[in-house]
Amino acid sequence: SAVISQKPSRDICQRGTSLTIQCQVDSQVTMMFWYRQQPGQSLTLIATANQGSEATYESGFVIDKFPISRPNLTFSTLTVSNMSPEDSSIYLCSVEFGGLGLSSSYNEQFFGPGTRLTVL
Amino acid sequence: AQSVTQPDIHITVSEGASLELRCNYSYGATPYLFWYVQSPGQGLQLLLKYFSGDTLVQGIKGFEAEFKRSQSSFNLRKPSVHWSDAAEYFCAVGGGGYQKVTFGTGTKLQVIP
Repeated sequence: SAVISQKPSRDICQRGTSLTIQCQVDSQVTMMFWYRQQPGQSLTLIATANQGSEATYESGFVIDKFPISRPNLTFSTLTVSNMSPEDSSIYLCSVEFGGLGLSSSYNEQFFGPGTRLTVL
Repeated sequence: AQSVTQPDIHITVSEGASLELRCNYSYGATPYLFWYVQSPGQGLQLLLKYFSGDTLVQGIKGFEAEFKRSQSSFNLRKPSVHWSDAAEYFCAVGGGGYQKVTFGTGTKLQVIP
């Protein structure tokens, strides 16, 4: 398992600004993910962030809007750029052990507590 | 494409009563199945998982789930619900390796005294 922390836990931002969310893991992991959970809805995968490679974005999400960094095996950031009220959501990071050529990844993910973002 | 259906958006049960949350999945091969719970203001916590083997899996907090391939279902059960079980429950399916995990829309559980 893994202990995952996110900063900030919540924020209220003005339209047009940007917010960077940090995700810290207590152990080295290969695969990290960023999800969005809009009010009353399920989780939508934004991108997969594997250390040593560019983030892979899902359909409907682009790097200019959601730039991601993954400088090492325990840390990642997601930036929500040029925010609008439609970006108000909970943003979650998760990690998965295994992957990158290993067959031992069973898609079991561990989640951070989330960042609740409100854009005015 | 894989998908998960949780037909019940909201369920209310009395404390001490039994609980069953439904989950149906669509996946072309052997699925990896999960149930997560999300308490208000919290992230998701894994309750249980199924990869292979015994189709009845036990999880934390007294929950269990049964994988039924013929029905493409992975329903979550608990024999006696506690007030602290009030939360939102998500079913998810993956295929292992680099396969993306797909989450259902969630079932919100309310527990009444």
